[in-house]
Amino acid sequence: GENVEQHPSTLSVQEGDSAVIKCTYSDSASNYFPWYKQELGKGPQLIIDIRSNVGEKKDQRIAVTLNKTAKHFSLHITETQPEDSAVYFCAADSNYQLIWGAGTKLIIKP
Amino acid sequence: DGGITQSPKYLFRKEGQNVTLSCEQNLNHDAMYWYRQDPGQGLRLIYYSQIVNDFQKGDIAEGYSVSREKKESFPLTVTSAQKNPTAFYLCASTIGLMNTEAFFGQGTRLTVV
Repeated sequence: GENVEQHPSTLSVQEGDSAVIKCTYSDSASNYFPWYKQELGKGPQLIIDIRSNVGEKKDQRIAVTLNKTAKHFSLHITETQPEDSAVYFCAADSNYQLIWGAGTKLIIKP
Repeated sequence: DGGITQSPKYLFRKEGQNVTLSCEQNLNHDAMYWYRQDPGQGLRLIYYSQIVNDFQKGDIAEGYSVSREKKESFPLTVTSAQKNPTAFYLCASTIGLMNTEAFFGQGTRLTVV
């Protein structure tokens, strides 16, 4: 079955710098790759997603890139702000389910 | 406001007891899901339901049960057969299959005392 690996598990960056989180997946049939942000004590919220027919998608300070050949996708956050501090999850669809990465705790240092 | 509501936020269970977690949505979504979240791990699927009166086991269904009698409601029962039930439980819904945006509730933290 599908396996999604996410790195790093913790990422600490200076406010204003960029953050990059990477995920790899194993199911070549996966076509949908969302990224979710989870704040403490809350449910995850979709921040951006990408489908296999595009290689990159951008929404203001957030971008996602997808390399289907290598089976990896990445989340890029530019000009990080304190409110970006949270846990970020990647996921990939497989057999009508989403398979989730283990999460990355992003810490923004003032 | 449309959304998905879980209750209670915190729940304490004695060993050997069954407890039921509530999940209600007013988004008119067909599909609903229950996930378990443990520290340092991704979300693991317990059960999902694509339509009323139908549901499927996820990866970790043992010790759990669900029902889907109404489109809006998808309660999860944690039975005494679940050996390690202490966790954060999340309910989600999607319009159709899980390749569209999932909307999550605020979660229920279950603790066995």
